[in-house]
Amino acid sequence: EVQLVESGGGLVQPGRSLKLSCVASGFTFSNYGMNWIRQAPGKGLEWVAYISSGSSYIYYAETVKGRFTISRDNAKNTLYLQMTSLRSEDTALYYCASNWELDYFDYWGQGVMVTVSS
Amino acid sequence: DIQMTQSPSFLSASVGDRVTLSCKASQNINKYLAWYQQKLGEAPKLLIYNANSLQTGIPSRFSGSGSGTDFTLTISSLQPEDVATYFCLQHNSWYTFGAGTKLELK
Repeated sequence: EVQLVESGGGLVQPGRSLKLSCVASGFTFSNYGMNWIRQAPGKGLEWVAYISSGSSYIYYAETVKGRFTISRDNAKNTLYLQMTSLRSEDTALYYCASNWELDYFDYWGQGVMVTVSS
Repeated sequence: DIQMTQSPSFLSASVGDRVTLSCKASQNINKYLAWYQQKLGEAPKLLIYNANSLQTGIPSRFSGSGSGTDFTLTISSLQPEDVATYFCLQHNSWYTFGAGTKLELK
């Protein structure tokens, strides 16, 4: 059974940093692209970042470019999102999701909440 | 950017009903459209990919159709376990999601 389990969320002050993790199991993690997707309270889903299977290709949404860094450790089956210079508008439920190259998302985690507030 | 418009936002239907949900793209996305089901507190689940391909393990009462800008998700006979929010995703040009349709039982 495929599982994606996010962690690392919480309450953080504006301007501070936070690092999210997503541990994968049940599939060959190193063969798949991975993504972070978020949903702000009462808003729709927004794709945040993508990293290819071997980390060669990395893309970001304009709203987070320069502030967020996606990375992965295939030996640990783990995806990361380093978030810096956090803003109130980054408050959201953050999901990790897998895909084949830049295709649709096939598996998702349950999400981890990040709240940016003073 | 490609915008995705889902309708209706909310739908109430009875067990056994045929249910049709719509997703419209602001420009041609060919067949790069996926449908997801999300139950409260659960991870989104892929139902349909490439507009009309049923994901493995998904009941055959779910089907998708369309291409270009207009797409439809149909549940042929609504079951109680289908109560959920359904959203579409275009992946023709990066990624954009629809706002979702919340489906409940009448």
